[in-house]
Amino acid sequence: GNSVTQMEGPVTLSEEAFLTINCTYTATGYPSLFWYVQYPGEGLQLLLKATKADDKGSNKGFEATYRKETTSFHLEKGSVQVSDSAVYFCALRKAAGNKLTFGGGTRVLVKP
Amino acid sequence: ETGVTQSPTHLIKTRGQQVTLRCSSQSGHNTVSWYQQALGQGPQFIFQYYREEENGRGNFPPRFSGLQFPNYSSELNVNALELDDSALYLCASSGMNRISGTGITGELFFGEGSRLTVL
Repeated sequence: GNSVTQMEGPVTLSEEAFLTINCTYTATGYPSLFWYVQYPGEGLQLLLKATKADDKGSNKGFEATYRKETTSFHLEKGSVQVSDSAVYFCALRKAAGNKLTFGGGTRVLVKP
Repeated sequence: ETGVTQSPTHLIKTRGQQVTLRCSSQSGHNTVSWYQQALGQGPQFIFQYYREEENGRGNFPPRFSGLQFPNYSSELNVNALELDDSALYLCASSGMNRISGTGITGELFFGEGSRLTVL
C-alpha cells in the first residue's frame, strides 16, 4: 500500500536557521506529493505541491523537489521565522481519487 | 480561512454513545472527505462523498458512516463510541471531475476540525 515516512520531531531551531524536513514515500505509479502545515489550533493548509518527477514546489520561502529516483520530497527553507512554528505533514495522492495519505507530522519550533 | 466550516469545535462523549459531526463545504465544491487525526499523528482517510454517495473509504469500521446533502454539506456519524475514537476530525472539500466522477480537480481545503473526546 501507499505510505509516507517523515522525520520525527520536534525540530527546534533559532530564527534565521536553515530548515530541512525529510520525507520519503512508498507508492505505485506516479503520485502527487504535498506538504501541509498545521498552525496551533488551526486546520491543515496546503503549503506546496508537486505533481510529477523533478517538479519543484515552492511557497512562502519553502521548497521541495519531487525526486522519483529516491522517492523523496524533502522540505527546505533557508531562513526560518518564529511564525514558521507549526506541524508539517508530508502527503501523497494517487492519480485517481482524492484520498491523501499523510506522514506522521513533524513539529517545528523556532525560537527568537 | 478556507471557507470550510465544521461544528461543533469541541465535544465530549462517553463510551457507547453516538456522535454527529457536521461540515459545510466551500462554495462550488461538490466533494467532501473526512479524516481522523489522533493526537500526535497524521490524518487518516475515513471516506469521501460525491453527489451524495460514498465514493471511497479508508480502513474504518461500519460504525463510521456519513451523509452528503444536496447542498454538498456533510455529516460524519460514529456509533458505539470507543476510547480510541478520541481525535480531531477534519473535513475537506474539493471539486471533482463531473464527467467521470473520478480524478482530481484541485486542492483540498480543510476545516479547522472537530475535537472529540471519548471518556
